[in-house]
Amino acid sequence: GAVVSQHPSWVICKSGTSVKIECRSLDFQATTMFWYRQFPKQSLMLMATSNEGSKATYEQGVEKDKFLINHASLTLSTLTVTSAHPEDSSFYICSARDQKEDYGYTFGSGTRLTVV
Amino acid sequence: AQSVAQPEDQVNVAEGNPLTVKCTYSVSGNPYLFWYVQYPNRGLQFLLKYITGDNLVKGSYGFEAEFNKSQTSFHLKKPSALVSDSALYFCAVRDISGGSYIPTFGRGTSLIVHP
Repeated sequence: GAVVSQHPSWVICKSGTSVKIECRSLDFQATTMFWYRQFPKQSLMLMATSNEGSKATYEQGVEKDKFLINHASLTLSTLTVTSAHPEDSSFYICSARDQKEDYGYTFGSGTRLTVV
Repeated sequence: AQSVAQPEDQVNVAEGNPLTVKCTYSVSGNPYLFWYVQYPNRGLQFLLKYITGDNLVKGSYGFEAEFNKSQTSFHLKKPSALVSDSALYFCAVRDISGGSYIPTFGRGTSLIVHP
């Protein structure tokens, strides 16, 4: 079945530094990838939708300059949290849509970001 | 527009008893419907989906869900709960006619199965 690898699983960084999270589709081509943020005991908040080779579409209220998304190939999307602050600490999850399957969404295992 | 509601924040059930996690949806056209499960500090795992065809959909780990168009519901069920089923469950919908590939997720229901 479809597999999405998300790396790292967890990361601790200092305030002011940047952190990059990678999301790879291992056995399929993902035209579209989604980035979510999840707060404790809460639902998924869609941050942005990235399409291969084009600029990401950000949801209202999500800072484009702070959360940089790049989808350079059909199998890789990255989320970079720039100048991280403690309030950016959260669980970030990516999801990929298989371009061959109109209705399939596969999720990565998530990244726990802690900014100290 | 598409939306989904999971009216229960938490469902408690004894091991061995049947379980139901509720989900209702709203779409302009026809829906694609999904259930996912999330264990602590993990991503979402796919359980089952309804695209078309039989209203009763069988999925992973013994779960099933019934698509009810008149009630706009897609409740998740399992005949006999296991302690290991304790997790967070998300229902999601995508409007086929909406022209968007973005699914909408419910707020999640925490299922707690007591030994």
